[in-house]
Amino acid sequence: GQSLEQPSEVTAVEGAIVQINCTYQTSGFYGLSWYQQHDGGAPTFLSYNALDGLEETGRFSSFLSRSDSYGYLLLQELQMKDSASYFCAVPGGGNKLTFGTGTQLKVEL
Amino acid sequence: SAVISQKPSRDICQRGTSLTIQCQVDSQVTMMFWYRQQPGQSLTLIATANQGSEATYESGFVIDKFPISRPNLTFSTLTVSNMSPEDSSIYLCSVSARFSGERSYEQYFGPGTRLTVT
Repeated sequence: GQSLEQPSEVTAVEGAIVQINCTYQTSGFYGLSWYQQHDGGAPTFLSYNALDGLEETGRFSSFLSRSDSYGYLLLQELQMKDSASYFCAVPGGGNKLTFGTGTQLKVEL
Repeated sequence: SAVISQKPSRDICQRGTSLTIQCQVDSQVTMMFWYRQQPGQSLTLIATANQGSEATYESGFVIDKFPISRPNLTFSTLTVSNMSPEDSSIYLCSVSARFSGERSYEQYFGPGTRLTVT
């Protein structure tokens, strides 16, 4: 089966940098995706890592280490609008996605 | 990108009744996915809806409880049958957006249907 573990909650101040971790156990691994979900909203795609290393997209970066079964999402220059839930996810057979446990990020002034 | 709409956006239902949720996509897609998100929890895949064949259900979900229709390549419905308070959740439909090889790593999601069962 698949399991992806994340911290349940992270709190940081506006302007800071925060890292959201994801450790996974999967039968077959093809890459790691990240999604953002605001309260009452739909999940939206942020990034995908198929290979080890860092992928940067503006203020957001995502990292993957296949040997450690570990990845993280890095958010820089935090803004209040970044307060949301963040999910890692792995693609599987049948084009399915399995989502991690989710991390609620609270950005404070 | 695909635009996905869902109806209803929210509903309050009595236990023992059934609710059918509609999902409409603005382009033709092979697979549509139905997820459940219980309050404060992650997304759990219920089933994959394939046009022209039976839906494929994940472990813990059965057709009698969550019957799915997929009459064409742009539309699907999910019915939550014989509801109980434990069915109170957000129900989301999604479609695959981008692929790496044969694996879809990005999905577009509908806005969700917020269901409360009393």
